[in-house]
Amino acid sequence: DGGITQSPKYLFRKEGQNVTLSCEQNLNHDAMYWYRQDPGQGLRLIYYSQIVNDFQKGDIAEGYSVSREKKESFPLTVTSAQKNPTAFYLCASSSQLGVDTQYFGPGTRLTVL
Amino acid sequence: GIQVEQSPPDLILQEGANSTLRCNFSDSVNNLQWFHQNPWGQLINLFYIPSGTKQNGRLSATTVATERYSLLYISSSQTTDSGVYFCAVWEGGANNLFFGTGTRLTVIP
Repeated sequence: DGGITQSPKYLFRKEGQNVTLSCEQNLNHDAMYWYRQDPGQGLRLIYYSQIVNDFQKGDIAEGYSVSREKKESFPLTVTSAQKNPTAFYLCASSSQLGVDTQYFGPGTRLTVL
Repeated sequence: GIQVEQSPPDLILQEGANSTLRCNFSDSVNNLQWFHQNPWGQLINLFYIPSGTKQNGRLSATTVATERYSLLYISSSQTTDSGVYFCAVWEGGANNLFFGTGTRLTVIP
């Protein structure tokens, strides 16, 4: 099946720990994105990648890091510098940056205790 | 960045009723998408519609880019239509997809 997978579905971490969220797509898309959603809110862009080995900061990149070593994979690390990391994280991809439909994964709910 | 406003914020319908959701945006955009977020958080693409009108079954959407608004029509609503509907616009200059705060739809049997 073609699509976007994210793992894990739920993640619990202690304050001060870094954690990495996985995002994989088999749609052969060049562009990938990470969003954060807080309760009752829309999504906000954390990072995006137009192509392999390239990525750019979005609106709320502070406290997060990413890599794009393979076309299919765009992992997000939530570092201890992120002041309020508890949120719902969604990964997306599109064939090209910005001018095409974005398809979303099922999301990861991160809770920092 | 672009401001995206959706109305109404909440909507309760009887099963079988029709509804119109509105999305206003503050500047020119390269694309506009409508999504449905189900109770488990999954975002489902409904329409990619930077301009014009599209239909998909009981749903249709119209974007009037020159007047900076888009409408999502839901006809003969079903309980499975419940959830939050988001409008999102891509601003090319900012390379960012800006989301509205959504319309929460509840369809009751």
